Amino acid sequence: DAGITQSPRHKVTETGTPVTLRCHQTENHRYMYWYRQDPGHGLRLIHYSYGVKDTDKGEVSDGYSVSRSKTEDFLLTLESATSSQTSVYFCAISEGTSGTVRYNEQFFGPGTRLTVL
Amino acid sequence: AQKVTQAQTEISVVEKEDVTLDCVYETRDTTYYLFWYKQPPSGELVFLIRRNSFDEQNEISGRYSWNFQKSTSSFNFTITASQVVDSAVYFCALSEAGDSSYKLIFGSGTRLLVRP
Repeated sequence: DAGITQSPRHKVTETGTPVTLRCHQTENHRYMYWYRQDPGHGLRLIHYSYGVKDTDKGEVSDGYSVSRSKTEDFLLTLESATSSQTSVYFCAISEGTSGTVRYNEQFFGPGTRLTVL
Repeated sequence: AQKVTQAQTEISVVEKEDVTLDCVYETRDTTYYLFWYKQPPSGELVFLIRRNSFDEQNEISGRYSWNFQKSTSSFNFTITASQVVDSAVYFCALSEAGDSSYKLIFGSGTRLLVRP
């Protein structure tokens, strides 16, 4: 199994409070991603990182920010949580390209269930 | 624009039946990659297979098989002789070679229930 952990695994918070979710990997993979999973939508990309301090927006980035100060850690922050951000959040990692070989597989962490009341 | 459609929201079968999960994709890229992931009731996402657009060979892994047809933009997944442990949500996903983010575009998933 890919070495990916997420913390916390469960969190209940109130509207308007800041929340930070952490993703930690031991695989030294270049790419890291945050997705949210909602019924009827599958997984949707929030933000991703392609290296330390290199991040970019995904499909549903409004209300979220990210940071990556070390290869192994990727943080997702909800500056002021809203009820619409109640979801299951998954972190994923991907090696990207090694030499001429492109690795597209993503490996996922266990998920964080966030409830915003 | 890229898109993945899994029209079957939920499928229920009796153990030992064969079942096929459909996946239809849209992309303008000539090189792309298709994936299947399994999400069992415990919630984790498990990688099952990757298929490259330039390799149309079908693949079999035990009771699992995948049928890739470029002509119909489909990448269907068949489970032969289904078992209760196959009960899960299955996601099909697409990644385009021209996308430097390597991101995956997911379908909405198909929930498979295998009854004893």
